[in-house]
Amino acid sequence: DAKTTQPNSMESNEEEPVHLPCNHSTISGTDYIHWYRQLPSQGPEYVIHGLTSNVNNRMASLAIAEDRKSSTLILHRATLRDAAVYYCILPVVGSQGNLIFGKGTKLSVKP
Amino acid sequence: EPEVTQTPSHQVTQMGQEVILRCVPISNHLYFYWYRQILGQKVEFLVSFYNNEISEKSEIFDDQFSVERPDGSNFTLKIRSTKLEDSAMYFCASSVEEQYFGPGTRLTVT
Repeated sequence: DAKTTQPNSMESNEEEPVHLPCNHSTISGTDYIHWYRQLPSQGPEYVIHGLTSNVNNRMASLAIAEDRKSSTLILHRATLRDAAVYYCILPVVGSQGNLIFGKGTKLSVKP
Repeated sequence: EPEVTQTPSHQVTQMGQEVILRCVPISNHLYFYWYRQILGQKVEFLVSFYNNEISEKSEIFDDQFSVERPDGSNFTLKIRSTKLEDSAMYFCASSVEEQYFGPGTRLTVT
């Protein structure tokens, strides 16, 4: 199964953009890239996913490198509520999308 | 917005006792999952469930664990004889594509 690598932690200022990187150099051609986040004391929450093209939704944007070996989750204006652990996940190939969580990136947002 | 619900929010039990954790997935979802998170550690996949049977399970999901969808709405996780190391947050999730997680049940085994 393809593995992902993320920085352990990042800091941002409120109302500034945040770019959260993820490396997945062993990604296969059919692997979707999923991002979830976990706010303190809550269950994980879906953020966004994509295959090849950049994706936007109401929460965030996902920029996928042309060779698909890396991606970046973009929060356009960080709020205090965005402080969470962000997980970049490639669901298990051949499964029903079982999610294998790594340690993720802990994002701190300063007012 | 529809959401996954879980009960109870906190369960305290004695070692060796059976516990049942309950989940109500989102109504039109087809795939159901259980995950757990030991305090301070990663979220771990336990089991996935589709069409009234287990699709996949992890090494953690041994004979002490079982899942059931007893009716059209509930999805349960049973631990037959709890151990101290079963203490964790247990999250239920359901999906059509992306997974929606419940708020979790904190299980404390004493």
